[in-house]
Amino acid sequence: DTGVSQNPRHKITKRGQNVTFRCDPISEHNRLYWYRQTLGQGPEFLTYFQNEAQLEKSRLLSDRFSAERPKGSFSTLEIQRTEQGDSAMYLCASSTRGAYTDTQYFGPGTRLTVL
Amino acid sequence: DQQVKQNSPSLSVQEGRISILNCDYTNSMFDYFLWYKKYPAEGPTFLISISSIKDKNEDGRFTVFLNKSAKHLSLHIVPSQPGDSAVYFCAALEVTSYGKLTFGQGTILTVHP
Repeated sequence: DTGVSQNPRHKITKRGQNVTFRCDPISEHNRLYWYRQTLGQGPEFLTYFQNEAQLEKSRLLSDRFSAERPKGSFSTLEIQRTEQGDSAMYLCASSTRGAYTDTQYFGPGTRLTVL
Repeated sequence: DQQVKQNSPSLSVQEGRISILNCDYTNSMFDYFLWYKKYPAEGPTFLISISSIKDKNEDGRFTVFLNKSAKHLSLHIVPSQPGDSAVYFCAALEVTSYGKLTFGQGTILTVHP
Protein backbone atom coordinates (compact mmCIF):
# COMPACT_ATOMS: atom_id res chain seq x y z
CA ASP A 1 0.00 0.00 0.00
CA THR A 2 1.53 3.34 -1.01
CA GLY A 3 -0.83 5.69 0.83
CA VAL A 4 -0.22 7.76 3.96
CA SER A 5 -0.19 5.65 7.11
CA GLN A 6 -0.64 6.73 10.72
CA ASN A 7 -0.09 4.91 13.99
CA PRO A 8 -1.71 4.29 16.33
CA ARG A 9 -5.24 4.55 14.98
CA HIS A 10 -6.66 5.08 18.45
CA LYS A 11 -5.10 6.34 21.66
CA ILE A 12 -6.77 6.66 25.05
CA THR A 13 -4.77 8.39 27.73
CA LYS A 14 -5.23 10.07 31.09
CA ARG A 15 -4.95 13.80 31.54
CA GLY A 16 -1.35 14.83 32.16
CA GLN A 17 0.24 11.97 30.22
CA ASN A 18 2.42 12.40 27.13
CA VAL A 19 1.46 10.85 23.80
CA THR A 20 3.27 10.48 20.47
CA PHE A 21 1.80 9.80 17.05
CA ARG A 22 3.60 8.69 13.92
CA CYS A 23 2.95 9.47 10.26
CA ASP A 24 4.53 7.79 7.24
CA PRO A 25 3.89 9.87 4.11
CA ILE A 26 3.74 8.73 0.50
CA SER A 27 7.37 7.97 -0.28
CA GLU A 28 8.01 10.50 -3.05
CA HIS A 29 6.24 13.37 -1.27
CA ASN A 30 8.51 16.03 0.25
CA ARG A 31 5.73 17.98 1.96
CA LEU A 32 4.06 16.77 5.14
CA TYR A 33 1.24 18.39 7.09
CA TRP A 34 -0.48 17.80 10.42
CA TYR A 35 -4.11 18.76 10.97
CA ARG A 36 -6.55 18.37 13.86
CA GLN A 37 -10.26 17.72 13.49
CA THR A 38 -12.90 18.01 16.19
CA LEU A 39 -16.51 16.88 15.94
CA GLY A 40 -18.60 18.84 13.47
CA GLN A 41 -15.69 20.85 12.12
CA GLY A 42 -13.36 20.63 9.17
CA PRO A 43 -9.70 19.78 9.74
CA GLU A 44 -7.57 22.66 11.06
CA PHE A 45 -3.93 23.14 10.09
CA LEU A 46 -1.32 22.53 12.79
CA THR A 47 2.10 22.43 11.16
CA TYR A 48 3.99 21.85 7.90
CA PHE A 49 7.31 20.29 6.90
CA GLN A 50 9.18 20.56 3.66
CA ASN A 51 11.64 17.70 3.78
CA GLU A 52 13.04 17.85 7.34
CA ALA A 53 12.43 21.57 7.87
CA GLN A 54 9.40 22.67 9.87
CA LEU A 55 8.37 25.82 7.98
CA GLU A 56 5.09 26.85 9.53
CA LYS A 57 3.22 26.33 12.79
CA SER A 58 -0.34 27.33 13.62
CA ARG A 59 -1.27 29.31 16.71
CA LEU A 60 -3.23 26.17 17.64
CA LEU A 61 0.10 24.44 18.29
CA SER A 62 0.80 25.34 21.91
CA ASP A 63 4.12 24.81 23.67
CA ARG A 64 2.90 21.36 24.71
CA PHE A 65 2.93 20.23 21.09
CA SER A 66 6.08 19.36 19.18
CA ALA A 67 6.57 17.81 15.77
CA GLU A 68 9.61 16.40 14.05
CA ARG A 69 10.48 14.94 10.69
CA PRO A 70 13.98 13.49 10.92
CA LYS A 71 15.71 13.01 7.58
CA GLY A 72 12.60 14.15 5.77
CA SER A 73 10.90 10.78 6.01
CA PHE A 74 8.33 9.89 8.69
CA SER A 75 7.05 12.46 11.16
CA THR A 76 6.07 12.36 14.83
CA LEU A 77 3.70 14.61 16.73
CA GLU A 78 4.08 14.67 20.50
CA ILE A 79 1.66 16.18 22.99
CA GLN A 80 2.98 16.69 26.49
CA ARG A 81 0.81 16.96 29.61
CA THR A 82 -2.37 16.16 27.68
CA GLU A 83 -5.58 18.00 28.48
CA GLN A 84 -9.18 16.97 27.80
CA GLY A 85 -9.36 19.68 25.14
CA ASP A 86 -6.70 17.81 23.16
CA SER A 87 -9.23 15.06 22.38
CA ALA A 88 -9.60 15.07 18.60
CA MET A 89 -8.70 13.27 15.38
CA TYR A 90 -5.11 14.04 14.39
CA LEU A 91 -4.60 13.82 10.63
CA CYS A 92 -1.43 13.69 8.61
CA ALA A 93 -1.23 14.54 4.91
CA SER A 94 1.52 14.59 2.32
CA SER A 95 1.94 16.17 -1.10
CA THR A 96 4.32 17.15 -3.83
CA ARG A 97 3.73 20.49 -5.45
CA GLY A 98 3.12 21.08 -9.16
CA ALA A 99 3.12 24.39 -11.02
CA TYR A 100 -0.51 25.08 -10.19
CA THR A 101 -1.38 22.18 -7.94
CA ASP A 102 -0.72 20.92 -4.44
CA THR A 103 -3.02 17.98 -3.77
CA GLN A 104 -2.70 16.70 -0.23
CA TYR A 105 -3.42 13.04 0.50
CA PHE A 106 -4.51 12.18 4.00
CA GLY A 107 -3.87 9.22 6.24
CA PRO A 108 -6.59 7.48 8.27
CA GLY A 109 -5.91 9.62 11.34
CA THR A 110 -5.21 8.95 15.01
CA ARG A 111 -8.21 9.36 17.32
CA LEU A 112 -7.03 10.72 20.70
CA THR A 113 -9.26 10.51 23.76
CA VAL A 114 -8.03 12.20 26.94
CA LEU A 115 -9.85 11.05 30.07
CA ASP B 1 -12.88 34.13 10.82
CA GLN B 2 -14.26 31.40 8.56
CA GLN B 3 -12.49 31.88 5.21
CA VAL B 4 -14.17 28.85 3.63
CA LYS B 5 -17.86 28.27 4.24
CA GLN B 6 -20.21 25.45 3.42
CA ASN B 7 -23.58 26.87 4.38
CA SER B 8 -25.60 23.68 3.97
CA PRO B 9 -24.93 21.28 6.86
CA SER B 10 -26.76 18.48 5.06
CA LEU B 11 -28.20 17.46 1.70
CA SER B 12 -30.52 14.58 0.88
CA VAL B 13 -31.02 13.32 -2.71
CA GLN B 14 -32.54 10.33 -4.47
CA GLU B 15 -30.32 7.75 -6.12
CA GLY B 16 -29.72 8.61 -9.78
CA ARG B 17 -30.37 12.33 -9.33
CA ILE B 18 -27.82 15.14 -9.22
CA SER B 19 -26.16 16.21 -5.96
CA ILE B 20 -24.90 19.80 -5.82
CA LEU B 21 -22.68 20.83 -2.94
CA ASN B 22 -21.74 24.47 -2.54
CA CYS B 23 -18.80 26.32 -1.05
CA ASP B 24 -17.97 30.02 -0.65
CA TYR B 25 -14.64 31.60 0.22
CA THR B 26 -13.52 35.06 1.23
CA ASN B 27 -9.74 35.03 0.76
CA SER B 28 -8.94 36.27 -2.75
CA MET B 29 -5.43 34.80 -2.46
CA PHE B 30 -6.77 31.24 -2.65
CA ASP B 31 -5.89 29.80 -6.04
CA TYR B 32 -6.36 26.05 -5.69
CA PHE B 33 -9.48 24.31 -4.47
CA LEU B 34 -10.15 20.71 -3.50
CA TRP B 35 -13.08 18.52 -2.51
CA TYR B 36 -12.65 15.70 -0.05
CA LYS B 37 -15.03 12.95 1.00
CA LYS B 38 -14.92 11.61 4.54
CA TYR B 39 -16.44 8.58 6.21
CA PRO B 40 -16.67 8.39 10.02
CA ALA B 41 -13.42 7.41 11.75
CA GLU B 42 -11.42 7.73 8.52
CA GLY B 43 -9.22 10.41 7.01
CA PRO B 44 -10.48 12.62 4.16
CA THR B 45 -10.25 11.05 0.72
CA PHE B 46 -9.31 13.36 -2.17
CA LEU B 47 -12.02 13.59 -4.84
CA ILE B 48 -11.32 16.35 -7.30
CA SER B 49 -9.56 19.69 -7.51
CA ILE B 50 -9.50 22.84 -9.60
CA SER B 51 -6.94 25.55 -10.17
CA SER B 52 -8.00 29.19 -10.40
CA ILE B 53 -6.81 29.22 -14.03
CA LYS B 54 -9.81 27.02 -14.87
CA ASP B 55 -13.53 27.31 -14.28
CA LYS B 56 -14.47 23.65 -14.62
CA ASN B 57 -12.90 20.26 -14.01
CA GLU B 58 -14.48 16.86 -14.58
CA ASP B 59 -13.58 13.41 -13.36
CA GLY B 60 -16.14 10.73 -14.10
CA ARG B 61 -19.33 11.44 -12.16
CA PHE B 62 -17.74 14.42 -10.38
CA THR B 63 -17.53 17.95 -11.76
CA VAL B 64 -16.26 21.01 -9.93
CA PHE B 65 -17.19 24.53 -11.05
CA LEU B 66 -15.33 27.65 -9.96
CA ASN B 67 -16.75 31.18 -10.15
CA LYS B 68 -13.86 33.43 -9.13
CA SER B 69 -15.80 36.67 -9.32
CA ALA B 70 -18.40 35.31 -6.89
CA LYS B 71 -15.77 33.44 -4.83
CA HIS B 72 -17.93 30.36 -5.14
CA LEU B 73 -17.37 26.76 -6.10
CA SER B 74 -19.65 23.80 -6.40
CA LEU B 75 -19.34 20.03 -6.70
CA HIS B 76 -21.80 18.18 -8.92
CA ILE B 77 -22.24 14.44 -8.60
CA VAL B 78 -24.19 12.81 -11.44
CA PRO B 79 -25.71 10.30 -11.05
CA SER B 80 -25.70 10.09 -7.27
CA GLN B 81 -25.25 6.64 -5.73
CA PRO B 82 -25.91 5.41 -2.16
CA GLY B 83 -22.16 4.84 -1.75
CA ASP B 84 -21.67 8.59 -2.16
CA SER B 85 -23.26 9.14 1.24
CA ALA B 86 -20.55 10.78 3.37
CA VAL B 87 -19.37 14.16 4.64
CA TYR B 88 -17.97 16.36 1.88
CA PHE B 89 -15.40 19.04 2.65
CA CYS B 90 -14.39 21.93 0.47
CA ALA B 91 -10.80 23.14 0.98
CA ALA B 92 -8.68 25.97 -0.41
CA LEU B 93 -5.06 27.02 -0.45
CA GLU B 94 -2.57 29.47 -1.90
CA VAL B 95 -0.26 27.36 -4.08
CA THR B 96 2.57 29.87 -3.84
CA SER B 97 2.49 29.88 -0.04
CA TYR B 98 3.24 27.03 2.34
CA GLY B 99 0.16 25.27 1.06
CA LYS B 100 -1.84 24.81 4.22
CA LEU B 101 -5.41 23.82 3.47
CA THR B 102 -8.30 25.83 4.87
CA PHE B 103 -11.41 23.67 5.16
CA GLY B 104 -15.11 24.39 5.26
CA GLN B 105 -17.31 22.87 7.95
CA GLY B 106 -18.52 20.06 5.72
CA THR B 107 -21.85 18.97 4.22
CA ILE B 108 -23.41 15.62 5.06
CA LEU B 109 -24.70 14.04 1.84
CA THR B 110 -27.27 11.26 2.07
CA VAL B 111 -28.26 9.44 -1.11
CA HIS B 112 -31.43 7.39 -0.74
CA PRO B 113 -31.95 4.21 -2.79
